[in-house]
Amino acid sequence: QVQLVQSGAEVKKPGASVKVSCKASGYTFTSYGISWVRQAPGQGLEWMGWISAYNGNTNYAQKLQGRVTMTTDTSTSTAYMELRSLRSDDTAVYYCARDLGMTTVTTTLDYWGQGTLVTVSS
Amino acid sequence: QSALTQPASVSGSPGQSITISCTGTSSDVGSYNLVSWYQQHPGKAPKLMIYEVSKRPSGVSNRFSGSKSGNTASLTISGLQAEDEADYYCCSYAGSSTRFGGGTKLTVL
Repeated sequence: QVQLVQSGAEVKKPGASVKVSCKASGYTFTSYGISWVRQAPGQGLEWMGWISAYNGNTNYAQKLQGRVTMTTDTSTSTAYMELRSLRSDDTAVYYCARDLGMTTVTTTLDYWGQGTLVTVSS
Repeated sequence: QSALTQPASVSGSPGQSITISCTGTSSDVGSYNLVSWYQQHPGKAPKLMIYEVSKRPSGVSNRFSGSKSGNTASLTISGLQAEDEADYYCCSYAGSSTRFGGGTKLTVL
């Protein structure tokens, strides 16, 4: 069965960086993309970006350009999302999700990780 | 990049039907048939309910249906059940990026 298992909760100080992992199993990792979505406490969903596990191409949300980097390790079927220069409003649950698009974003996110809480506080 | 517009809340009684709208622009909903809908219960990850405007993933009840007209997409839930009470988010492709709606809280009375 398809599973996406994310790394554990993180507490970071403002200005620091965080790297969240998302280990996939139960499917051919390189046949899909991975999107990252975050949700601030009590707020809605915010798309952060997408990476093709096939060729490593990425699309990032404009507001995060320059602060976010998404990568994959096909040898371990793991996707990573790194966010730098953290601010208090980056406090959120971060989700990875399988995107049906192998080479382009599709918005069809059919399997989701369990979420990783990142808290940014001094 | 503005979020898609959804009503903050809708409600209905068991057995009734409700529709949640999702209004975008000609740059997103109006230009692409890549609209999806997600259900989220408190403390849980979102679940895909509808993709590509009107397609249902395997395992999703046929009480859920999707449609689109112009810049507005809609999710209809028929035969409301208590377990349908949740937050619902629409999502649209917007030309190499993706936009979510602000979310709609569905209350089953």
